[in-house]
Parts: sequence; C-alpha cells; structure tokens
Amino acid sequence: DQQVKQNSPSLSVQEGRISILNCDYTNSMFDYFLWYKKYPAEGPTFLISISSIKDKNEDGRFTVFLNKSAKHLSLHIVPSQPGDSAVYFCAAVITGGGNKLTFGTGTQLKVEL
Amino acid sequence: DAGITQSPRHKVTETGTPVTLRCHQTENHRYMYWYRQDPGHGLRLIHYSYGVKDTDKGEVSDGYSVSRSKTEDFLLTLESATSSQTSVYFCAIRSGTGNSPLHFGNGTRLTVT
Repeated sequence: DQQVKQNSPSLSVQEGRISILNCDYTNSMFDYFLWYKKYPAEGPTFLISISSIKDKNEDGRFTVFLNKSAKHLSLHIVPSQPGDSAVYFCAAVITGGGNKLTFGTGTQLKVEL
Repeated sequence: DAGITQSPRHKVTETGTPVTLRCHQTENHRYMYWYRQDPGHGLRLIHYSYGVKDTDKGEVSDGYSVSRSKTEDFLLTLESATSSQTSVYFCAIRSGTGNSPLHFGNGTRLTVT
C-alpha cells in the first residue's frame, strides 16, 4: 500500500528549461513533506521541504508546491542544470512519533545538454 | 555526510548466515533510522531509535533486529540472511528539533547469495 507515489519513473529535460517532478499521497494525516536528491553510490541528500500550512516554498532554483485538496506536491527546478541529473524522492511525514519518513519510489531526472 | 559512517560499504554473504551492519554518527543526534532501498519501492523504514536502548519497528522490520547501546552507534542485524534481504541499506540521523530533516549515510550494499 504505497502511501506516497511518484508515477513518473524518469524525466528528461534540456539544460536551462524547467524540470517538474510530481508526487501524490493518500494519507491526509501527513503534515510535512520533503524532497531528497540521490546520486549513484551516495545517500539521499535533503533538498527542500514544506509544511502543510503552506502551499509554496522556494530555495534558489528549487520550489516546492503543495496542493492539499488534491494531495499532490511538485518540485520545480529552474533553470535545470546537468548536475541536477539524479534520482529525486519525495517523502511525507506525520510529525511527532519519531518523524518517520514515508518515501515515494523516486524519479530519475536526466538533464541533457 | 553529516558525520555518518556506515560499515561495511559492501558485503556479500550466504543465505542463513548472520550479518550486522553498523552506523556511527559524530553529531550526537537523538534519532537514528535504518532504511532499505529497492527498485520499485523507494526507501522503506526498517527500524528506528529515539534514544539509547529505545527502538521501534518500521514498515519492513521482519527478519531484522537493532540495538543502540550508545548514542553514536546503531546496529542492524540480520539474524539469518535471506536472498530477499539483498538490498542497499541506509542509515539516517535527525537532531529531533522541530521538523529537522533526516541526513543519510552513503549506504551499505548487501548481497545474499
């Protein structure tokens, strides 16, 4: 029972264009959401997060949007760079109780020159 | 790496043998987690710890046990390894303040033959 879903296993975009990665969740108790980036042979690294009381959070080239009514969040990367090529995981958490993250299955982003 | 060391980085073992993976942190963080990453599943929580000698199960805890006798060390043990436990294992730490994100180690690739 996948509570956090990333339905696109892969995405290819051109350098300089926008990358949009999507994530859907089913558990309405989730109140905090995070995006992680993972390179091969390394652990995931934290990118950006958003609380359920907000609908947008921005950090440099990265913006996360949250649509609570649709149970949907997205990560926008503008402009995309070759170094952004990685696997991106979204994660959701019910704060308190250990803050255990529930991850999606990941989207492989490839930014082409 | 946020002061997280996983050992070994790679291990091949035979079915039925016991295996222990180690996670060591230098950040003095309260929370520690073990996840496994498998294709099509993302990262799934095995066990986590919220303090010395305080541990709890995650969503895929069957066949695994953990121990935390010191703040800095969190051990994951496979009592009798099975081929289904072939995976990449990630340790993560969290400070416990508010919604601080998890920081991950670089993983241990375990192959059970």
